[in-house]
Amino acid sequence: TQLLEQSPQFLSIQEGENLTVYCNSSSVFSSLQWYRQEPGEGPVLLVTVVTGGEVKKLKRLTFQFGDARKDSSLHITAAQPGDTGLYLCAGASEEGSNYQLIWGAGTKLIIKP
Amino acid sequence: DTEVTQTPKHLVMGMTNKKSLKCEQHMGHRAMYWYKQKAKKPPELMFVYSYEKLSINESVPSRFSPECPNSSLLNLHLHALQPEDSALYLCASSQGYLTVTYEQYFGPGTRLTVT
Repeated sequence: TQLLEQSPQFLSIQEGENLTVYCNSSSVFSSLQWYRQEPGEGPVLLVTVVTGGEVKKLKRLTFQFGDARKDSSLHITAAQPGDTGLYLCAGASEEGSNYQLIWGAGTKLIIKP
Repeated sequence: DTEVTQTPKHLVMGMTNKKSLKCEQHMGHRAMYWYKQKAKKPPELMFVYSYEKLSINESVPSRFSPECPNSSLLNLHLHALQPEDSALYLCASSQGYLTVTYEQYFGPGTRLTVT
């Protein structure tokens, strides 16, 4: 069974601080997506990383895919209250002919003003 | 336009009722998905339709019955549900099913409560 371990599960910090969320696996992924979800809403796609070592930036958010395509991180600089939400990573996996998304458990992030 | 719409937003139903959830996308995507999400958990895949054909059924109980009338629409028919089926039901679509990037776009979900 493939697993994607996401940490931390919960993080509450002050506005202006930096933070990093991690997703780790022993499996190789074809790509990895990061989503943010607000309560009662569907996940919103933030970014997709495909190439090992790839770094993508989205304003104050920096996403990195590990060289071996087994792990990824999300770094937020100078966090704002608007960054509050549930952050989910999901790895695209191919096992035989079965394509599927493997989901991390999520990181609930609260940014206090 | 990266919008997936879902109706209704909220649904309360008794265990003997029959209801349907609807999902629509106009992005030309050829794969559509139903997920179930419990509070504080990631989405759990239920069904995948690729080119309007059911590709994956993740051992979902028969009280959930999916239907894909055309490439833009996806329905989930509900019958004789149990209280433990209460959850947020999410629809998603992607450009294709067997694609490397596998980006899925989600609708806002239907909050289902079974009484």
